[in-house]
Amino acid sequence: KAGVTQTPRYLIKTRGQQVTLSCSPISGHRSVSWYQQTPGQGLQFLFEYFSETQRNKGNFPGRFSGRQFSNSRSEMNVSTLELGDSALYLCASSLGTAGGREQFFGPGTRLTVL
Amino acid sequence: AQTVTQSQPEMSVQEAETVTLSCTYDTSENNYYLFWYKQPPSRQMILVIRQEAYKQQNATENRFSVNFQKAAKSFSLKISDSQLGDTAMYFCAFMKQGRTDKLIFGTGTRLQVFP
Repeated sequence: KAGVTQTPRYLIKTRGQQVTLSCSPISGHRSVSWYQQTPGQGLQFLFEYFSETQRNKGNFPGRFSGRQFSNSRSEMNVSTLELGDSALYLCASSLGTAGGREQFFGPGTRLTVL
Repeated sequence: AQTVTQSQPEMSVQEAETVTLSCTYDTSENNYYLFWYKQPPSRQMILVIRQEAYKQQNATENRFSVNFQKAAKSFSLKISDSQLGDTAMYFCAFMKQGRTDKLIFGTGTRLQVFP
């Protein structure tokens, strides 16, 4: 079974631009979660989708948004990029049908904002 | 709100020795899950071990075991017979019970295993 894939792996943008990151979960997984990882703030939860519905949202500004498609693939979008958005963005997938299930993480997208 | 605290930013251990990583958490929930995840340098995060709060028995996975003290809200990870491949960042994480996969992570402990 293929693992969680994220595209692109690396991205360089300038302030004010917007960016879209993609995550393809493991086949059969219906839950996708997104996390931002920075040296200063650590791993912070962005949002979680299950069967195309946002199930949970973290404490991030409205510039951060996401969605999930019928095939469970998910995208997250960041508009009006700021320098502080530079981070490793990780997505994780699980079956999502019961709590406490193992999350399978992708390799991440490294976003650099100049 | 739940919080997870890892008080050891860095630790080191010699190969074949045993090391314990500390984690404490704060929650008002009675039912929840606790995890240790490993993030090797430039590699994907993987699950090391999982504990359900309602189970008193400590979880064990090969060389990895936990000491779960629910009353003290403590969840430490013991790595026995350390190997060079154990070198990684280790994150303790909390998940509420229910229809959610949201993980709340600690700040991580960087473990270096020396030959």
